[in-house]
Amino acid sequence: SYVLTQPPSVSVAPGQTARITCGGDNIGPKSVHWYQQRPGQAPVMVVYDDSDRPSGIPERFSGSKSEKMATLTISRAEAGDEADYYCQVWDSASDHVVFGGGTKLTVL
Amino acid sequence: DVQLLESGGGLVQPGGSLRLSCAASGFAFSKFAATWVRQAPGKGLEWVSGISGSGARTFYADSVKGRFTISRDNSKNTLYLQMNSLRAEDTATYYCAKAAGDIVEVPIAGTYWYQFPYTDVWGKGTTVTVSS
Repeated sequence: SYVLTQPPSVSVAPGQTARITCGGDNIGPKSVHWYQQRPGQAPVMVVYDDSDRPSGIPERFSGSKSEKMATLTISRAEAGDEADYYCQVWDSASDHVVFGGGTKLTVL
Repeated sequence: DVQLLESGGGLVQPGGSLRLSCAASGFAFSKFAATWVRQAPGKGLEWVSGISGSGARTFYADSVKGRFTISRDNSKNTLYLQMNSLRAEDTATYYCAKAAGDIVEVPIAGTYWYQFPYTDVWGKGTTVTVSS
């Protein structure tokens, strides 16, 4: 089955840029989506289709992708950005939605 | 305003059954695919099942296939998850989520290729505990 690999944790100083990666075999052709989950809350989509941002999500959140890796970039990090972040794709080979293991972002 | 409200969670013994419901409002329910995603305590998100807008196409994670059944009643704007033969490892918060569109279905060489849209709205979740 298809696997997405994320680092378990990323730390960033306030005002700096955080980058969260998501790796998968031949991820290039797949659309990657990103979700933010604050403690005790439901997930919220922050980036869809690799790099598009839903309305209401700050421009500080951006997505990119290469042939082997997708990246969520959070610029000018704030304390309120502390959360778990998950990448997700649809694997058409297995007809499964696949989530990465999640990355805990700490702003310190 | 798009809203999803799950219900039906609770405590159930191993081997038992439970049916989750998700009441949707604020959008044309039948035009959008939907999914169930769960999260065990302290763990990450795990996709459980997805269904097309009409209900004709369903998809399951290997961990629940043959035990769980996803369905929908578009006349009632409600999504369901029937869970049978429950195990301790099914203990989790279960989220209902709306997809951004309906599934894309393309016939290729005698079979079908599917594309399931991303989920753009999530409910607050309902908790299922499987324990004796």
